[in-house]
Amino acid sequence: GAGVSQSPRYKVAKRGQDVALRCDPISGHVSLFWYQQALGQGPEFLTYFQNEAQLDKSGLPSDRFFAERPEGSVSTLKIQRTQQEDSAVYLCASSLAQREDYGYTFGSGTRLTVV
Amino acid sequence: EDKVVQSPLSLVVHEGDTVTLNCSYEVTNFRSLLWYKQEKKAPTFLFMLTSSGIEKKSGRLSSILDKKELSSILNITATQTGDSAIYLCAGFNFGNEKLTFGTGTRLTIIP
Repeated sequence: GAGVSQSPRYKVAKRGQDVALRCDPISGHVSLFWYQQALGQGPEFLTYFQNEAQLDKSGLPSDRFFAERPEGSVSTLKIQRTQQEDSAVYLCASSLAQREDYGYTFGSGTRLTVV
Repeated sequence: EDKVVQSPLSLVVHEGDTVTLNCSYEVTNFRSLLWYKQEKKAPTFLFMLTSSGIEKKSGRLSSILDKKELSSILNITATQTGDSAIYLCAGFNFGNEKLTFGTGTRLTIIP
């Protein structure tokens, strides 16, 4: 596609509910990143994929967070048993390669509100 | 742990003014500094700086990196209401190949 597409745009979840956030990267982009952006903060790294391999998940805040990219294109970020502190915008970015000079293209994000 | 600090946190100016946004970084294995503009939600790329002292320009926006001072500035001249946004800077660590973002500067341009 022309850009990075994320869905849903908005998600309201009751505390304890599981959610799944989808990212559809630019076709042919090898690298895919997930970031979490809390209100008034900059994006914080969650995890990184190169094709289908999850090479770095050091930023995932707890074992309730799980990400996958089984066929090396679309990725899903799953949050189990959501809590209020999970409320944030979840940004996905893709790139031709991991090097920053290939450019990261961000999606518009999913705003998750846990009530 | 890598750290990027931006100042000011917010700035309100009148249309036509010139603004300077600041970014300082402490990034291990630093390779480059990137500036993004964030309106609504998706950050959009502005500049990537790798060499100290070389200014990059795009229209009314310009940016320069000072590796000695571990800092960068983003200048916007003759500001317009469309420049209202959050401006993010991020440092790239080539050791762990991660971008670390600052909290951003929220710029508001009053007509």
